[in-house]
Amino acid sequence: AQTVTQSQPEMSVQEAETVTLSCTYDTSENNYYLFWYKQPPSRQMILVIRQEAYKQQNATENRFSVNFQKAAKSFSLKISDSQLGDTAMYFCAFMKPYNTDKLIFGTGTRLQVFP
Amino acid sequence: GAVVSQHPSWVICKSGTSVKIECRSLDFQATTMFWYRQFPKQSLMLMATSNEGSKATYEQGVEKDKFLINHASLTLSTLTVTSAHPEDSSFYICSASWDRGRRVNQPQHFGDGTRLSIL
Repeated sequence: AQTVTQSQPEMSVQEAETVTLSCTYDTSENNYYLFWYKQPPSRQMILVIRQEAYKQQNATENRFSVNFQKAAKSFSLKISDSQLGDTAMYFCAFMKPYNTDKLIFGTGTRLQVFP
Repeated sequence: GAVVSQHPSWVICKSGTSVKIECRSLDFQATTMFWYRQFPKQSLMLMATSNEGSKATYEQGVEKDKFLINHASLTLSTLTVTSAHPEDSSFYICSASWDRGRRVNQPQHFGDGTRLSIL
């Protein structure tokens, strides 16, 4: 069974600085997808970024980028130029496609951005 | 596009009553819908997966008779918490996914959640 681990329950960063959130996972699959979701205080789940395991290039979306290390089963999220609106819970998620398509979520990291 | 509407957003009711939560995909046909439960400051826990027209698949430890799921159409799934008790109080979130070809870009579209409080 797949598992997703986020070892940082809480993180804080000053506005405009850079922060990295860690995520590791365990799977025997070769083809899969990884995601980072953001859940602000409104509790809406927002997809931040996704990564296909077969792609070596790290995904980027504006200020958000990932460091995907397939051999190490690591998938960290880097937020550059942090903004107050980035304050939220961040969940790493794993999906094995074309099966049940279930998302397996990590325990989450609470990020606080300070002015 | 790809909007999922969840209703109600907040419900308070007495112990022993049944509560129904609706999840609608507004602009796409949801072949699969998921129901999650989230405790404060914790992650999303998948309760069940439902496909239109078939019985839901429940995760281990989730009581089927307590949490009734119906997915009667491609745009609507409902979760009914039967004979609710205070321990059922939680935040419930639904999500919907569409045809396989597009799932990997945005695997699930989430509703805004329902805060259930049982007195």
